[in-house]
Amino acid sequence: EIVLTQSPATLSLSPGERATLSCRASQSVSSYLAWYQQKPGQAPRLLLYDASNRATGIPARFSGSGSGTDFTLTISSLEPEDFAVYYCQQRSNWALTFGGGTKVEIK
Amino acid sequence: EVQLVQSGAEVKKPGESLKISCKGSGYSFTSYWIGWARQMPGRGLEWMGIIYPGNSDTRYSPSFQGQVTISADKSISTAYLQWSSLKASDTAMYYCARRDGSGWCSSWGQGTLVTVSS
Repeated sequence: EIVLTQSPATLSLSPGERATLSCRASQSVSSYLAWYQQKPGQAPRLLLYDASNRATGIPARFSGSGSGTDFTLTISSLEPEDFAVYYCQQRSNWALTFGGGTKVEIK
Repeated sequence: EVQLVQSGAEVKKPGESLKISCKGSGYSFTSYWIGWARQMPGRGLEWMGIIYPGNSDTRYSPSFQGQVTISADKSISTAYLQWSSLKASDTAMYYCARRDGSGWCSSWGQGTLVTVSS
């Protein structure tokens, strides 16, 4: 099973700042990586898929990069609604896995 | 509009059985994989498994193989997650999600909270 390690566990930033979140895979997942956002009491929402493609309706301030084992989610300028938990997920095989999550909190 | 509507919250005792549901609408139910994810209280997401309702092809994550059963009834556009003998450690929120044409889960149910307590 592929293990995804996200860092940092918590990111304390102010609105308007840039957020950089990392996801590292225990073995190559090619570009089969997605990012989800989850707010308290809500289901996850797909943000980016195949490492860098924005899902429908996702603002351009969200971008993704990487391939193989190292991936990054960047939020260029945090809006108040962006404070949430972010998860990466891989689907390079049928045993899909999620990372442990990064909480982006207001500083 | 694609919608996944899950069954309501459940409170069960250890050892009891349970089957929760996820009803799809607004698309061809038999043409898209539906997966299940667990979220224990205060914890992250865990992928449990996935089913293709068109032919009932089912794949389980290793951690959940033998622990739960995923099924689907295409006649009523509903997927299921069931347990034969619940444990307290099964207490969690359970989400269903549809895998779309990109191969990713862009549509999610609202979640079903399962509480197992004596």
